[in-house]
Amino acid sequence: DIQMTQSPASLSASLGETVTIECLASEDIYSNLAWYQQKPGKSPQLLIYYANSLNDGVPSRFSGSGSGTQYSLKINSLQSEDVSIYFCQQNYDSPPTFGGGTKLELK
Amino acid sequence: EVQLQQSGPEVGRPGSSVKISCKASGYTFTDYVMNWVKQSPGQGLEWIGWIDPEYGSTDYAEKFKKKATLTADTSSSTAYIQLSSLTSEDTATYFCARAFITTVVPLFDYWGQGVMVTVSS
Repeated sequence: DIQMTQSPASLSASLGETVTIECLASEDIYSNLAWYQQKPGKSPQLLIYYANSLNDGVPSRFSGSGSGTQYSLKINSLQSEDVSIYFCQQNYDSPPTFGGGTKLELK
Repeated sequence: EVQLQQSGPEVGRPGSSVKISCKASGYTFTDYVMNWVKQSPGQGLEWIGWIDPEYGSTDYAEKFKKKATLTADTSSSTAYIQLSSLTSEDTATYFCARAFITTVVPLFDYWGQGVMVTVSS
């Protein structure tokens, strides 16, 4: 199975700041990478797919980039509603696997 | 509006089974593969498997082949997961999640609200 490693595990940032979350795959996943946001007590929501495609309705302050084994999620101008856990997931090879998550809090 | 409405919380004794439902609405049930994902307390996400409601075909992660059974009822647009031989390791929240249609290996565009399963004697 492809292992997905996220960093950092937790992150504290101020309103208006730009934050970046990293995801490292154990092998090349050819941009088959999705990001999800999970707010407290809720189910995950798809933010980005194919590494950099924004899902419908997702604010443009979210963006994704990367290739090969290294990917990142950037949130510009952090808002209070962005407090969540963020997960990456590879959909290159079965079984689909997730990163361990990054917990984003407000400073 | 696409909605996946899951059944309520379950408590199961060790060694028993539980069955969770996921009722789909707002789209044609047989057009999309339905997946199941496990989230253990304070932990990350694990893919359990998928079912194609149109054909009844299934695929499971190796770890869950003897644990989970996926079924679907097209007449009620409802998918089910049965978890058998429960142990404390099965205490978790279980989500149904629709597969994003354009991918071979699934990613998930709509999720149910999740069902908490607690294994306790």
